[in-house]
Amino acid sequence: DAMVIQNPRYQVTQFGKPVTLSCSQTLNHNVMYWYQQKSSQAPKLLFHYYDKDFNNEADTPDNFQSRRPNTSFCFLDIRSPGLGDAAMYLCATSRDGLTGGVPGDQPQHFGDGTRLSIL
Amino acid sequence: GDSVTQMEGPVTLSEEAFLTINCTYTATGYPSLFWYVQYPGEGLQLLLKATKADDKGSNKGFEATYRKETTSFHLEKGSVQVSDSAVYFCALGPAGGSNYKLTFGKGTLLTVNP
Repeated sequence: DAMVIQNPRYQVTQFGKPVTLSCSQTLNHNVMYWYQQKSSQAPKLLFHYYDKDFNNEADTPDNFQSRRPNTSFCFLDIRSPGLGDAAMYLCATSRDGLTGGVPGDQPQHFGDGTRLSIL
Repeated sequence: GDSVTQMEGPVTLSEEAFLTINCTYTATGYPSLFWYVQYPGEGLQLLLKATKADDKGSNKGFEATYRKETTSFHLEKGSVQVSDSAVYFCALGPAGGSNYKLTFGKGTLLTVNP
C-alpha cells in the first residue's frame, strides 16, 4: 500500500542536542508538510514543501529546519531542542491539485508520527 | 482570517448511540471541508470531505453535509461502535491559489463505551 512512513516512532534526545526526524512517502505527492502536535491540541503547521520550494510558517521558530533531498524523503531538523519542543511530529503529503483538481480540494495523507521526548 | 469552531469534548456515548459533532467555520470564498480522525498513538486519517455547498461526504457510516447558509459541516453517525473512539478534527481547506494550509478545529475526543 502507498503510504507515509515516519522514523523513528519514538525519539529521545537531550536538551540542546540536535535531532533529525525523517519521513518518506510512496504516494509520489508533490507537497510534503511537517506539523507539531502537542497533547490534546490540533496539529500546528511548521512548514511545507511544494516540490523543492520551501514554505515556512511565519511563527515557526528558527530552531526548526527542513530538508527535502528528493520527492520521496523529507527531514525535520531541530537544532537545539528545548523542553517546549517535546511533542508529536507529524509528516503529511498531498497532491498539488494542478492535475485536474484544486489545491484546496486535496486531502492530506499523514504518517503515524514521531513522538519526541527531551531529557 | 479563516477559522474553525468545533464542539468541545470530551464526548462519551454508549455503543449504538447517535453521534453529532458540531463544526462551524469562517472563511472567505468557498473552501473545501474535511473531517479527520486520529486514533490513539496514530497520525490523522481523512474520514470524509466535501468540496462545495450541499455536498455530502460519507465514509464508514459517518456523514457530513456542507451547509453554506449556516457555514457548518456537522459530523453525524447513526450508531457508534467502541472502535469509533478517537479524536475528530474538522478542517478547512484553502479557498484557492497555491496556499495549501489546512485550518483545524481544536478536536473532539469521542469515547464509546460497550
